[in-house]
Amino acid sequence: EAGVAQSPRYKIIEKRQSVAFWCNPISGHATLYWYQQILGQGPKLLIQFQNNGVVDDSQLPKDRFSAERLKGVDSTLKIQPAKLEDSAVYLCASSLASGSTDTQYFGPGTRLTVL
Amino acid sequence: DQQVKQNSPSLSVQEGRISILNCDYTNSMFDYFLWYKKYPAEGPTFLISISSIKDKNEDGRFTVFLNKSAKHLSLHIVPSQPGDSAVYFCAASGVTQGGSEKLVFGKGTKLTVNP
Repeated sequence: EAGVAQSPRYKIIEKRQSVAFWCNPISGHATLYWYQQILGQGPKLLIQFQNNGVVDDSQLPKDRFSAERLKGVDSTLKIQPAKLEDSAVYLCASSLASGSTDTQYFGPGTRLTVL
Repeated sequence: DQQVKQNSPSLSVQEGRISILNCDYTNSMFDYFLWYKKYPAEGPTFLISISSIKDKNEDGRFTVFLNKSAKHLSLHIVPSQPGDSAVYFCAASGVTQGGSEKLVFGKGTKLTVNP
C-alpha cells in the first residue's frame, strides 16, 4: 500500500514570497490533515479536511495560509506571503475516518526555510 | 498552553536494557493516547495507543501504561535495540480547549540506544 506522498521535500524562499505544498493521501482515506512542526516542537494541526470539507481550521493563520482539497483527494497548502517564523516542516497525514481512534499516517514532510 | 508535556528532551540507554519515556497531560477531556516514532527526514509513524478505559497496552517489546489520576503515561521498550533510536512523540486525542477534537502532540523525546 502506497503511503502519503508529499512534494517538494525541501523548499527555500525569501520572506514575502509565496510557496505551495502538495499532498496525496493514502487511497481511500477520507480525512486529511496538515500539520506544522517547528524545530524542537511537536506537530501542530493547521487544518483538517473530511473529504473536501473543512472540519477544523482554528489554528490556521488565515491571513497568509490557505488550503484546499478539491475532489476530496489531493490537497495543497499555500503560504502567501511567507514570514521568517514560517520556517518549519509541513506534514500531511491521512486517516480512514475522522474519529479519535483512527490512526493517522504521515507523509515525509516538506522542510521550508524562509530567508 | 502546552497540554501534552514530554519533559525529557533526550534519553540514552544501553542495548538490551529498558527504555522508559514519560508523558504528562493537563486536559482531563483527553480519552485516547498514542505514541509516534520519528526517524530523521521521515514523517512520524504510529507505534502504539491506549484508550482511557485501560491502564496498560502491550505490543511486542512496547508497552504503554496510563495513570489517569496522575494524568501520566509512559512507554516502555524492552529490550531496547539500536534501531529504536529515534524521536518519540506522545500524543493525546479528545476535546481540546477550543471545543474541537484533535490530536495534540508533545515536543518529543530523542532516544539513543547505544550498542
